[in-house]
Amino acid sequence: EVQLVESGGSLVQPGGSLRLSCAASGFTFSSHWMSWVRQAPGRGLEWVANMNQDGSQFFHVGSVKGRFTISRDNAKNSLYLQMNSLRADDTAVYFCARLVGNTGWRSCDIWGQGTMVTVSS
Amino acid sequence: DIQTTQSPSALSASVGDRVTITCRASQSISTFLCWYQQKPGKAPKLLIYAASSLQSGVPSRFGGSGSGTDFTLTINSLQPEDSATYYCQQTYSVPYTFGQGTRLEIK
Repeated sequence: EVQLVESGGSLVQPGGSLRLSCAASGFTFSSHWMSWVRQAPGRGLEWVANMNQDGSQFFHVGSVKGRFTISRDNAKNSLYLQMNSLRADDTAVYFCARLVGNTGWRSCDIWGQGTMVTVSS
Repeated sequence: DIQTTQSPSALSASVGDRVTITCRASQSISTFLCWYQQKPGKAPKLLIYAASSLQSGVPSRFGGSGSGTDFTLTINSLQPEDSATYYCQQTYSVPYTFGQGTRLEIK
């Protein structure tokens, strides 16, 4: 079964750090771009970051640049999001997703169940 | 950044109705447009990719159209299980922005 399972979410104080993990199974992880997407409570979806198959290309949304870092370990079939200098507005459910595509299209076809990050004192 | 504007923000319809949701990009994105369905407490589910291609396993009452800047998601013959929030997303260039979402209520 193709699956993504996130972990690592918790309650953290403002200014703190957290590392999220996403374990992939059922497909060739090293062949796919991967993404992180977040959703604040009661709000819409926000794309956070992408990384290519070997980790040599990555992109982050402006609001997290310099604070969050996406990474991956293909030997462990895992995607990570290192989150530093956390702020209250980073409070959200964080989803990892598989990015697929071809000429003229890209989409997130497989999603994890999400992990909750709460930033509060 | 490319802005994606979705409308309406909410709508209510009856079982059997046809509904249309629109998504407009602030610049041309060719067909780099996806539609997702999200139910409360769940992850988004891909419905449509490449603006008009139906994802495997998605009922054929869902359809997408458009290219360039204007796109639509159409749901024919609404079913009770279609009650959800629907999002468009442009994947033409990073950041891959989402629309604000459309909450669909089944009367």
